[in-house]
Amino acid sequence: AQKVTQAQTEISVVEKEDVTLDCVYETRDTTYYLFWYKQPPSGELVFLIRRNSFDEQNEISGRYSWNFQKSTSSFNFTITASQVVDSAVYFCALTEGSGGGADGLTFGKGTHLIIQP
Amino acid sequence: NAGVTQTPKFQVLKTGQSMTLQCAQDMNHEYMSWYRQDPGMGLRLIHYSVGAGITDQGEVPNGYNVSRSTTEDFPLRLLSAAPSQTSVYFCASSRYRGYNEQFFGPGTRLTVL
Repeated sequence: AQKVTQAQTEISVVEKEDVTLDCVYETRDTTYYLFWYKQPPSGELVFLIRRNSFDEQNEISGRYSWNFQKSTSSFNFTITASQVVDSAVYFCALTEGSGGGADGLTFGKGTHLIIQP
Repeated sequence: NAGVTQTPKFQVLKTGQSMTLQCAQDMNHEYMSWYRQDPGMGLRLIHYSVGAGITDQGEVPNGYNVSRSTTEDFPLRLLSAAPSQTSVYFCASSRYRGYNEQFFGPGTRLTVL
């Protein structure tokens, strides 16, 4: 069975600090897909990134970066120079490729990130 | 494109009542799904569909029915509402399969008294 663990329930930092959100996953499939979603206070879910299990290259998008390490089953998310607008709940999610992802996403419980001005 | 739309945005039901949460997408996506979000629980999959006429159960299907008669629509029916079904419900769609980027609707906040 697949599982996603986000051990950090809540993180609070001061604006401009860097912050890393941890995500550890479990799966028996060799093909799988990892996602990060952002849920701002308004409640919608915003897609941030999708990564498949065969691509371990780190990714950077502006102030956001992701570190995927299969050896530790982790897919961590770092925000550099955080801003108040980054305040949100962030979800890491996993789907296995064997069923074509038909089983949907397994979400972690989310990390509530608070950026204080 | 409107993307994924959900109606209503808010709903209050009494225990035992039934209702249908509507979900529609205009992106011609084959894959659609319903999730519920409870405090501290993340999102959990209720039902999903890989195409018109095909549906299957997710992690928490009890008390819910779905059907998929068209590519665009994927309604979720609560047969006899219970307080345990108080939650925020999200509909999502993606192209072809669930491992593609999933687009989420704005959510329906349901309270069962």
